[in-house]
Amino acid sequence: DIQLTQSPSFLSASVADRVTITCRASQGISSYLAWYQQKPGKAPKLLIYAASTLQSGVPSRFSGSGSGTEFTLTISSLQPEDFATYYCQQLNSYPRTFGQGTKVEIK
Amino acid sequence: QVQLVESGGGVVQPGRSLRLSCAASGFTFSSYAIHWVRQAPGKGLEWVAVISYDGSNKFYVDSVKGRFTISRDNSENTLYLQMNSLRAEDTAVYYCAREYGFMVRGVISYTFDSWGQGTLVTVST
Repeated sequence: DIQLTQSPSFLSASVADRVTITCRASQGISSYLAWYQQKPGKAPKLLIYAASTLQSGVPSRFSGSGSGTEFTLTISSLQPEDFATYYCQQLNSYPRTFGQGTKVEIK
Repeated sequence: QVQLVESGGGVVQPGRSLRLSCAASGFTFSSYAIHWVRQAPGKGLEWVAVISYDGSNKFYVDSVKGRFTISRDNSENTLYLQMNSLRAEDTAVYYCAREYGFMVRGVISYTFDSWGQGTLVTVST
């Protein structure tokens, strides 16, 4: 099975900060990676697929990059509504594993 | 619009069974693979199972193999998860999610583009 490791697991940031989350895969997954945002009590929401393609309706301050084994999610200017937990997911093979999550909290 | 609505969760004793349902609307259900994903209280997301658009292919995470069965009724636009021999560690919110294939740079790239609101399963004495 492919393991995904996100770092950091927790980060504290202020509004307008630039935030970067990393996701490392235990083996190469090409660009078959997605990023989701989840708020408490809610279902995950798709942000980015194919490592760098922004889902329709998602603000352009979100961006993704990477391929192979290392990927990043960047929020260029953190907004109050962005405080949430973020997950990466690989869609290269089964099981469709998720990273352990990165919780972004207000500093 | 695409809508997925889970039901069937509840409190069940260890060793007992439960069947979850996921009712779909707003899209051609029979054209899409659908997944179950769960989230234990305070924990991260765990992929559980998938069924292909026509039901011919199914995959499971190792921890539920032999205990859980995913199925679908395309005439009723409904997905199911039959959960047998339930354990305390199966306690979680269970989500169904649609797998969508986007053409990106000449290659189909899959993702989970629509999710239900989840249904809570609690396994406890």
